[in-house]
Amino acid sequence: QVQLVESGGGVVQPGGSLRLSCAASGLTFSSYGMHWVRQAPGKGLEWVAFIRYDGSNKYHADSVKGRFTISRDNSKNTLYLQMNSLRGEDTAVYYCAKEAYSDYYFDYWGQGTLVTVSS
Amino acid sequence: SYVLTQPPSVSVAPGQTARITCGGNNIGRKSVHWYQQKAGQAPVLVVYDDTDRPSGIPERFSGSNSGNTATLTISRVEAGDEADYYCQVWDSSTFYVFGTGTKVTVL
Repeated sequence: QVQLVESGGGVVQPGGSLRLSCAASGLTFSSYGMHWVRQAPGKGLEWVAFIRYDGSNKYHADSVKGRFTISRDNSKNTLYLQMNSLRGEDTAVYYCAKEAYSDYYFDYWGQGTLVTVSS
Repeated sequence: SYVLTQPPSVSVAPGQTARITCGGNNIGRKSVHWYQQKAGQAPVLVVYDDTDRPSGIPERFSGSNSGNTATLTISRVEAGDEADYYCQVWDSSTFYVFGTGTKVTVL
């Protein structure tokens, strides 16, 4: 079965950097687009970034554009999110999610990793 | 930007029917997807492409979409259905958009 396992979360000071990873198994990782979605404490879901199956195209939400970068290593079945210039409003649980093959939605999610931006 | 509006909360007695709406401009022209998120857990897809259910999702979960409103219907509600529910669409300008979320409480 599909498994997505995030790691790399933690506490970081404002202005700092962090890199999240998402290890995928149970699927042909190189065939699917992948996403990062976040959820601030007590708030709703917010899409963060998407990368095509081959890494050829990347899209980022306006709220993170220029600060966050999504990437992937298909040889390692791993998705990444490099987060720079972190702000308090970036505090959230970050989920990686698999793009469905047929349409623009998320059919599998990881368990999430918590990022806390605080001094 | 495209906005999806959901009621903050819906309360329903066990065995009854819960209806969760998702409002958006001409949402009937888009494909709507629904996620269930139980407390402390990751979201789970329960309905996709307006009306389809992933394998393993009970038939009690159904969806519809027309005009400016999409609806997730949960029939014969059980205690285990208590969760937050989010609708989601893809928009050419905003990309992946989530609704504001609805907390379903089973009385």
